[in-house]
Amino acid sequence: SQQGEEDPQALSIQEGENATMNCSYKTSINNLQWYRQNSGRGLVHLILIRSNEREKHSGRLRVTLDTSKKSSSLLITASRAADTASYFCATDPMNYGGSQGNLIFGKGTKLSVKP
Amino acid sequence: EAGVTQSPTHLIKTRGQQATLRCSPISGHTSVYWYQQALGLGLQFLLWYDEGEERNRGNFPPRFSGRQFPNYSSELNVNALELEDSALYLCASSSALTVYTEAFFGQGTRLTVV
Repeated sequence: SQQGEEDPQALSIQEGENATMNCSYKTSINNLQWYRQNSGRGLVHLILIRSNEREKHSGRLRVTLDTSKKSSSLLITASRAADTASYFCATDPMNYGGSQGNLIFGKGTKLSVKP
Repeated sequence: EAGVTQSPTHLIKTRGQQATLRCSPISGHTSVYWYQQALGLGLQFLLWYDEGEERNRGNFPPRFSGRQFPNYSSELNVNALELEDSALYLCASSSALTVYTEAFFGQGTRLTVV
């Protein structure tokens, strides 16, 4: 079953604006990762945030994690047309004995950045 | 450094046939994961291999199988293909299974069953 649920399902913005995508999940996690997918091709790893971290930055990306609400957000600042893609969150659910190697993905947010 | 490579890029098979998909992990990575991305179903976990052993599998029938070779490359086999097996199959690798391990994906193999 899908653990991560992204919100919104689709987002359309103008170049230069900020884009915020949210992800909610159901169970305790070891970490949460964000990926980008262009036109149904491979996934590009963007950022990993550990369960004991609250915020992480990478270039124009800012990720927050609230484990009490079981939610995360991805902020892309000063968006560019090249940021147009689908964005997925993936959780590594916490299991006794450690990770079971199965990232659980949400259905993604389709971001469109208009020039 | 080369990323995760998958072959072939596209594969067209007839219902009932077998398909073999291949994956080469990033050098130094010992874990390989397979995912299926079917239209409308999202990314579903298929299999996890580490050090040549199958460590976990998702909720897929036994006709989905695979193996990992001594050089850590991996093969996914799908037997008795059905139309609903048409999907993008993604392979990922990671360096070691800790709770803080990033998984890096290849470009995928698009399997079409006709």
